[in-house]
Amino acid sequence: KAGVTQTPRYLIKTRGQQVTLSCSPISGHRSVSWYQQTPGQGLQFLFEYFSETQRNKGNFPGRFSGRQFSNSRSEMNVSTLELGDSALYLCASSLTAGNTEAFFGQGTRLTVV
Amino acid sequence: SQKIEQNSEALNIQEGKTATLTCNYTNYSPAYLQWYRQDPGRGPVFLLLIRENEKEKRKERLKVTFDTTLKQSLFHITASQPADSATYLCALGGSTLGRLYFGRGTQLTVWP
Repeated sequence: KAGVTQTPRYLIKTRGQQVTLSCSPISGHRSVSWYQQTPGQGLQFLFEYFSETQRNKGNFPGRFSGRQFSNSRSEMNVSTLELGDSALYLCASSLTAGNTEAFFGQGTRLTVV
Repeated sequence: SQKIEQNSEALNIQEGKTATLTCNYTNYSPAYLQWYRQDPGRGPVFLLLIRENEKEKRKERLKVTFDTTLKQSLFHITASQPADSATYLCALGGSTLGRLYFGRGTQLTVWP
């Protein structure tokens, strides 16, 4: 069965621009979580969606937003990009949520210049 | 706020030895704890999950223990191999559905 697919794999954007990242979870998985990974902070939770509803949100500014579609695919958007947004953005899918393993995608490497 | 510490940023051991990685946490009572492996440029891969009412879990050469009194988990890789070289992450979960709190990871290098 296909794993978690994130697109694009690499992205270079200019400060002030906005970006949309996509995540297709494993078929049948309804929970999708997003994480930001940087060398300085490690993996930081952004938000989690379940059945098209955002259930939890991490401590990130409002420039970070997301959504989930009826087929469980998810997108996250970052507006007004800052240099500090450069990171590896990881998406994880789970069958439900909590107490189950999370399957991560390869991530999207975002570089803001 | 939650604080998760993994014993060291890097651990170097010889092939065939047992690698022991530590995960300590404070200000949190997790319902479960997970260990992941991450290779450079790739997403984390799930290895083991242990619940708060479990003391030990094994899977092939992997063993994890969970002590909720000490607020500590130990992750062991027996008969380590160079292919085990990677960064290992511990993650806590439970109180907030869908959210995992990750440690910064320990980079393990197994040399021949």
